Amino acid sequence: GDSVTQMEGPVTLSEEAFLTINCTYTATGYPSLFWYVQYPGEGLQLLLKATKADDKGSNKGFEATYRKETTSFHLEKGSVQVSDSAVYFCALSGTASKLTFGTGTRLQVTL
Amino acid sequence: DVKVTQSSRYLVKRTGEKVFLECVQDMDHENMFWYRQDPGLGLRLIYFSYDVKMKEKGDIPEGYSVSREKKERFSLILESASTNQTSMYLCASSPPGGGRPYGYTFGSGTRLTVV
Repeated sequence: GDSVTQMEGPVTLSEEAFLTINCTYTATGYPSLFWYVQYPGEGLQLLLKATKADDKGSNKGFEATYRKETTSFHLEKGSVQVSDSAVYFCALSGTASKLTFGTGTRLQVTL
Repeated sequence: DVKVTQSSRYLVKRTGEKVFLECVQDMDHENMFWYRQDPGLGLRLIYFSYDVKMKEKGDIPEGYSVSREKKERFSLILESASTNQTSMYLCASSPPGGGRPYGYTFGSGTRLTVV
């Protein structure tokens, strides 16, 4: 079945550092891929998405590229801010009738 | 702006009480979902619904039931609350298609504490 594997957190970075959160997936066919962000005490918000191979999703300085050859959708940001501290979830929509989520990666950014 | 609204942000209930968590969406979405979120366990699907009066069990339905009498409203019911149901509960909705290509829209969550 479909599955998503994210790097374990927490990830702790200094402000302005480069961020990568790894996400790999297993799915048949051509899934759509998503990154969600959850700020403290809040629900999940869609951060970005990609619906086909080689698509790049981007939003708020975050980017992720749909790599079918490596079944990956890594999240990157060139310069993180304290306000980016949150939990990040990778997810896919494949053959199952609902989204499959990773377990989430907590990011903490310090001054 | 499209919204999924959960009726309470914080809720404290006693063991054995019947608890209703309400979720309303204004996007005319067919699909609605209830998840619980616990530290180290990620999101776990409790129940979902593809249409009015339809429901499907998710991964952890035990101790919960749901009701969907109107398209915009999806209620989660804890028949007899227990302390192990203390958690953050998240409601979501989506158009048909399993989340493709738009993903889900989530509510802000209800943090339930059972004492």
